[in-house]
Amino acid sequence: DTEVTQTPKHLVMGMTNKKSLKCEQHMGHRAMYWYKQKAKKPPELMFVYSYEKLSINESVPSRFSPECPNSSLLNLHLHALQPEDSALYLCASSQGPSGRMNEQFFGPGTRLTVL
Amino acid sequence: AQSVTQLGSHVSVSEGALVLLRCNYSSSVPPYLFWYVQYPNQGLQLLLKYTTGATLVKGINGFEAEFKKSETSFHLTKPSAHMSDAAEYFCAVRTFTGANSKLTFGKGITLSVRP
Repeated sequence: DTEVTQTPKHLVMGMTNKKSLKCEQHMGHRAMYWYKQKAKKPPELMFVYSYEKLSINESVPSRFSPECPNSSLLNLHLHALQPEDSALYLCASSQGPSGRMNEQFFGPGTRLTVL
Repeated sequence: AQSVTQLGSHVSVSEGALVLLRCNYSSSVPPYLFWYVQYPNQGLQLLLKYTTGATLVKGINGFEAEFKKSETSFHLTKPSAHMSDAAEYFCAVRTFTGANSKLTFGKGITLSVRP
């Protein structure tokens, strides 16, 4: 298995809802990443997990809460989001710990719309 | 600190013509450089990477790039454009944050291919 999967593909939520995004990889990678991407812009790094521990938080608002239950799974819990949080959320993984990242493999993304 | 610059936002070529997408980098350490492609409503796919060794790097889909230290460049080329090459292209450099590393992306460039 050489891919990163993300569910759901699309998500519409209200500002008072709680939802979660899920990311999974079975390549034995030890680092996983969450990105936010607005239209026609590059991905913006949100969080990095290395060996299942949070290693980078790019000053993301607390309404986004990451979780890494095991080495294959990465979640992003969403609560009280704002319409400006609507974006494509991308997950990625890399083989080694983030300090020795050689390349990242990206999932297809979740398209999030906040009403 | 490491960064990449992609000049221009849009390149249009005719089918069969040479594709040249420019990327210049700034890095105080030997850089790891990457080119990613993003098709509409999809995640990012790695085209090629330069870490060490041979400066001419061949990637997928007929793309290649040459690392030129004297010019601080890592331009992406393809001899003959195909309609399926129309996409967004991002150049990226590995950036260190303490013991961790992450990708720093250029702003991206849209490639259009005319019949």
